[in-house]
Amino acid sequence: GEDVEQSLFLSVREGDSSVINCTYTDSSSTYLYWYKQEPGAGLQLLTYIFSNMDMKQDQRLTVLLNKKDKHLSLRIADTQTGDSAIYFCAERGSGGYQKVTFGTGTKLQVIP
Amino acid sequence: DTGVSQNPRHKITKRGQNVTFRCDPISEHNRLYWYRQTLGQGPEFLTYFQNEAQLEKSRLLSDRFSAERPKGSFSTLEIQRTEQGDSAMYLCASSPTGNSPLHFGNGTRLTVT
Repeated sequence: GEDVEQSLFLSVREGDSSVINCTYTDSSSTYLYWYKQEPGAGLQLLTYIFSNMDMKQDQRLTVLLNKKDKHLSLRIADTQTGDSAIYFCAERGSGGYQKVTFGTGTKLQVIP
Repeated sequence: DTGVSQNPRHKITKRGQNVTFRCDPISEHNRLYWYRQTLGQGPEFLTYFQNEAQLEKSRLLSDRFSAERPKGSFSTLEIQRTEQGDSAMYLCASSPTGNSPLHFGNGTRLTVT
């Protein structure tokens, strides 16, 4: 079945860039998403990329997709303390009703 | 667009009791999803509706769980005879089409004592 994996924790200094990585197994994924979750809240969509793209930039966020290696990354430029949260990678499959499968999340800690 | 709304935000219940959660999706979103999230994990898919039709159910959804979306608008998720293992955050999401990103509510946190 589909599987999405992420490293559990990332610590960066304020002002540095953060890079959060994700790998997935479903080669027929159509869309890949990045969500942000703050404590006690639901998931906030940050950005997404269609599987036929290899890069997408949106202000401080850059998404890179290596479809051959099934590797997705999210780069946050000039990381701020407000970026501290858990970041989830998710992929939408192409079969059936196109289920969205989430990774376990990467906790980003920004040190002032 | 007021976003996806879930009620209640928190629910504490005793083991063996029944609970019901409500989700109001973004208006005109015909797709509605329920996910469950336990501490330290990502959301796990439970079930999916397109309009009023429940098209997919996860094996995680035991016989004690039932979900409805009677008029294709709001949805309810009921858990009968709750167990401590049901303690989790229950998240609802909606989308306008099958390819669109999911928009999540703030969830209902269930604690079973």
